[in-house]
Amino acid sequence: DAGVIQSPRHEVTEMGQEVTLRCKPISGHDYLFWYRQTMMRGLELLIYFNNNVPIDDSGMPEDRFSAKMPNASFSTLKIQPSEPRDSAVYFCASSLFGGGGYNEQFFGPGTRLTVL
Amino acid sequence: DQQVKQNSPSLSVQEGRISILNCDYTNSMFDYFLWYKKYPAEGPTFLISISSIKDKNEDGRFTVFLNKSAKHLSLHIVPSQPGDSAVYFCAASANDYKLSFGAGTTVTVRA
Repeated sequence: DAGVIQSPRHEVTEMGQEVTLRCKPISGHDYLFWYRQTMMRGLELLIYFNNNVPIDDSGMPEDRFSAKMPNASFSTLKIQPSEPRDSAVYFCASSLFGGGGYNEQFFGPGTRLTVL
Repeated sequence: DQQVKQNSPSLSVQEGRISILNCDYTNSMFDYFLWYKKYPAEGPTFLISISSIKDKNEDGRFTVFLNKSAKHLSLHIVPSQPGDSAVYFCAASANDYKLSFGAGTTVTVRA
């Protein structure tokens, strides 16, 4: 299996622009997670899906952030409009049975976002 | 408010010696704990875990210790090898399918 795939790997944009990050989870995994990594706060969970349905979006920082999972093999995280403080590494992860307890989460390589 | 804290941002250890990484948590509902390892430009990868019903779990050179009364866990790596140089994240779960991560500890193993 190719593992979790994320694109793009790097994104540089200007403040105010729309940014879309993409994720393809491991086939057969029924949970998908979006995280943000910053120096100050480490890895923060933004939102997670179960069987394509958003379950908990309490970590989404603002209404500027939105996430979708139109099917089992694809998810997007969109920021509109982007701001410099959104600069971070965004990770997508997938797992069976959610990862809480006895199933680990498998992470993608991340997208490094820089908002100028 | 961070429920999982790794108070040492970095650790430097000589090859062959023991590396000890520490993690504290505040949520008494956490019942499963994991350590992840992350190399630059890669995503975190699972390393080792422990359930709250245990106080120790060992896997090769890696051992995790859990002290529930102190809400503290530690990861021991012995002997440390150059390939162990990475960022280590402590994570915890309250069995609600979410993981709360610490900020990470960067380990550097000196030859």
